[in-house]
Amino acid sequence: HVQLQQSGPGLVKPSQTLSLTCDISGDNVSTNSAAWNWIRQSPSRGLEWLGRTYSRSTTWYTTYAEHVKGRITINADPSKNQFSLHLNSVSPEDTAIYYCARVFALAGTWAMDVWGQGTTVIVSS
Amino acid sequence: EIVLTQSPGTLSLSPGERGTLSCRASQNVLNKYLAWFQQQPGQAPRLLIFGASSRATGIPDRFSGSGSGTDFTLTISRLEPEDFAVYYCHQYGSSPTFGQGTRVEIK
Repeated sequence: HVQLQQSGPGLVKPSQTLSLTCDISGDNVSTNSAAWNWIRQSPSRGLEWLGRTYSRSTTWYTTYAEHVKGRITINADPSKNQFSLHLNSVSPEDTAIYYCARVFALAGTWAMDVWGQGTTVIVSS
Repeated sequence: EIVLTQSPGTLSLSPGERGTLSCRASQNVLNKYLAWFQQQPGQAPRLLIFGASSRATGIPDRFSGSGSGTDFTLTISRLEPEDFAVYYCHQYGSSPTFGQGTRVEIK
């Protein structure tokens, strides 16, 4: 039974860095059968995919959404079996519920089958 | 970026009725990368359908997905009280995107 547990601050000041961590249980962050994603949700923009990281044959890859490229870093820590999100230079427009999620190889395709509980992050001074 | 447009925005139905939700993509989406999620208030989205038509583990068979190319459909054959929620389509390509959602409400 795979579970994702998020942690991190719920309040970040403008221009600072938003940092969240997603702890994985029941799976391994280094698996070749999954990718580890961050998504956010706000009333104004709906669900937005932010980026993902994944390992294939011990090489790590990351992909970021264009709208946050240059401000975002997603990395994995195999020693702690977790992955993290860092979004810098935040503004109030980054206020949202942030989710981590696993995309898993299922029956010849891929599916976002496990989600974290969500973290409400407010950007305000 | 592939834009997913869902219709209708809100669907008002009674328990036991059939619900049909539409998702139209701005470009062709490979079937294997099209999914549907259900979201209840205060909860994370839950995977219902992946690969356009495969039900996720534990999803009742009253939920079915169909379609190809740019037009996809989620059908709920007989609405149960717990099915009133918001539904999102999603494509997991090189740059994943979500639709804006369809709210299924009790009539």
